[in-house]
Amino acid sequence: AQSVTQLDSQVPVFEEAPVELRCNYSSSVSVYLFWYVQYPNQGLQLLLKYLSGSTLVESINGFEAEFNKSQTSFHLRKPSVHISDTAEYFCAVRNSGYALNFGKGTSLLVTP
Amino acid sequence: EAGVAQSPRYKIIEKRQSVAFWCNPISGHATLYWYQQILGQGPKLLIQFQNNGVVDDSQLPKDRFSAERLKGVDSTLKIQPAKLEDSAVYLCASSFQGAIDTQYFGPGTRLTVL
Repeated sequence: AQSVTQLDSQVPVFEEAPVELRCNYSSSVSVYLFWYVQYPNQGLQLLLKYLSGSTLVESINGFEAEFNKSQTSFHLRKPSVHISDTAEYFCAVRNSGYALNFGKGTSLLVTP
Repeated sequence: EAGVAQSPRYKIIEKRQSVAFWCNPISGHATLYWYQQILGQGPKLLIQFQNNGVVDDSQLPKDRFSAERLKGVDSTLKIQPAKLEDSAVYLCASSFQGAIDTQYFGPGTRLTVL
């Protein structure tokens, strides 16, 4: 079964600093990868997704992720974080039945 | 466009009691998912419907959990009887017709079993 591993459970970072949240996936012939964000007391929201084509995908709020087949990774990056980016971030991979297999999540804490 | 609706938002019950959760997906979405999110973990699929048929329920504890999606629209997830380890957030999601379509999640129901 397809799976993802999020390598960091917590990532503390100062405001305006760059951040990388790491995600590795189990190899497969084809893979669809997602990053979801969960703000405190809110539901999951799609941040970005890789389906095919360009290996670099971007979100509307400055996050980007790069699909790296040789390293089986889909790390999430942002060059400069804001306090409002504090949230739980989940990497996920689509399984054969179209549902999502999620990682355990990375808690991003941005401080002034 | 209205999002995925879930109710109740919070529920506290004692072990061995029964509980039911309701989900109304986005209009026109054929695929509906129920996920269980235990504190500190990522969501785990419990059951997936395509219209009113079950696509995947391999991780649903069928001795105590049941779900239905009558008429292929809204869905109910039931736990009977509840155990302490069922304490979690139950998330409902829907997508237009699976595959590469985005899954949209509801706010979830937080269940506490005492």
